[in-house]
Amino acid sequence: LAKTTQPISMDSYEGQEVNITCSHNNIATNDYITWYQQFPSQGPRFIIQGYKTKVTNEVASLFIPADRKSSTLSLPRVSLSDTAVYYCLVGAFVSGSARQLTFGSGTQLTVLP
Amino acid sequence: KAGVTQTPRYLIKTRGQQVTLSCSPISGHRSVSWYQQTPGQGLQFLFEYFSETQRNKGNFPGRFSGRQFSNSRSEMNVSTLELGDSALYLCASSISGTRSYEQYFGPGTRLTVT
Repeated sequence: LAKTTQPISMDSYEGQEVNITCSHNNIATNDYITWYQQFPSQGPRFIIQGYKTKVTNEVASLFIPADRKSSTLSLPRVSLSDTAVYYCLVGAFVSGSARQLTFGSGTQLTVLP
Repeated sequence: KAGVTQTPRYLIKTRGQQVTLSCSPISGHRSVSWYQQTPGQGLQFLFEYFSETQRNKGNFPGRFSGRQFSNSRSEMNVSTLELGDSALYLCASSISGTRSYEQYFGPGTRLTVT
């Protein structure tokens, strides 16, 4: 089965850039890498998605190396409201064409004033 | 556009009972996935439905089942409840069932098994 790993927690200060890395050693060839943000008592919220190289939107950037076995979510100039748990999600083949969606264990980001 | 809705939001059941949870996806979304979230195991994939067919299934016992209706609404059922089934059950919808995982999650159903 695919194994997806992330750091358990990270601390940062307001205004700094934060990079969270996810390792996914068994990602399916054509699957995308997706990142989500979750606040307490809410469902996860989509942040960004990519397939390879670099993707940027209005809130984050996603860096994916050529082998696609890892990805890094970059949050520029974080604020207190960015304190949340961040998850990566990838799809991995289990057998044949069956695919299993695997979330990382989540990274608790705490932004300090 | 209305978001993903899940009912009920909270549920208390007794061991051995069964439970049915409901999910209404965003209008136009044809793919619905279900996840179980617990403090110990994190977010775990249960299954994914697309156009009334189960496309993918996670590593959960057969007590966990689901279905999707022609209007894309989905239900999941857990039979013979165990204490370990206590969790937040999340439903997520997306436009299609491709390898893109831009999903929109509902608020979840908090199930407590006593």
